[in-house]
Amino acid sequence: AQSVTQPDIHITVSEGASLELRCNYSYGATPYLFWYVQSPGQGLQLLLKYFSGDTLVQGIKGFEAEFKRSQSSFNLRKPSVHWSDAAEYFCAVGTTGNQFYFGTGTSLTVIP
Amino acid sequence: GAVVSQHPSWVICKSGTSVKIECRSLDFQATTMFWYRQFPKQSLMLMATSNEGSKATYEQGVEKDKFLINHASLTLSTLTVTSAHPEDSSFYICSASPAGGPRVNEQYFGPGTRLTVT
Repeated sequence: AQSVTQPDIHITVSEGASLELRCNYSYGATPYLFWYVQSPGQGLQLLLKYFSGDTLVQGIKGFEAEFKRSQSSFNLRKPSVHWSDAAEYFCAVGTTGNQFYFGTGTSLTVIP
Repeated sequence: GAVVSQHPSWVICKSGTSVKIECRSLDFQATTMFWYRQFPKQSLMLMATSNEGSKATYEQGVEKDKFLINHASLTLSTLTVTSAHPEDSSFYICSASPAGGPRVNEQYFGPGTRLTVT
C-alpha cells in the first residue's frame, strides 16, 4: 500500500536560514510526488511536482526538491527562509489511478 | 488557470440535518474529482474519488450512505453529508484533475469548506 511519512511534525527556523523538510514514501510503482503548502484555514497550493526526468525539481517561491529513488525520499529545500513561508507543508504521492495520499504534514515556524 | 471553487466556505448545521457542499472547476473540465477530509492540525484523508457520470469510489472506512457524492457534469461535484453529527465536523476539501492534456496527473485543490455540526 502507498504511504507518505513526514518525520518532522514541527520545525522552527530563523528567517534567512536554510530549510529542509523531509518526506519518505512507499509505493510499488514509479511515483508522482508533490509538495503542497497550506496556510491556516486555506486550501492547498502546489509548490512543485516530480513526474520523471531530472530528479532535482524547482518550484515556486524559491523551493526545490530532490527525488532519491534509492532512499524513497523527496525532501523539500529552500536556501533562505522568509517569514511568509510559515505554514503547513504536505508531501503527497500520486498513484497511477491519480489518487493522492498525503503525509501528516510539517508545521513551519519562522522566527525573526 | 486551473481554479477550483467550493461553496459554501463554511457552514453550521444542526445535528440530524443534511448539508451539501459544491465543488466546481472554473476554467477546466474535470473527469475526476476527489474529496478529502482534514481534522485540525492533521493531514488530508482521501474520502472518495468521483468520476463524472459514474458512482464514486470510497476509501475504506468511509460510509458511502453518509457521504453522498454526485458528479453530474465535468465541472461540478457535490458532497452531501447526510444526518450530520458533531463528529462530522471537519474541514472538507475537494480537488479536480483536468480531463486529458499534460496536467492529467495533477490535482487542483479548492479552498475548503469548514463544517460545524452543533
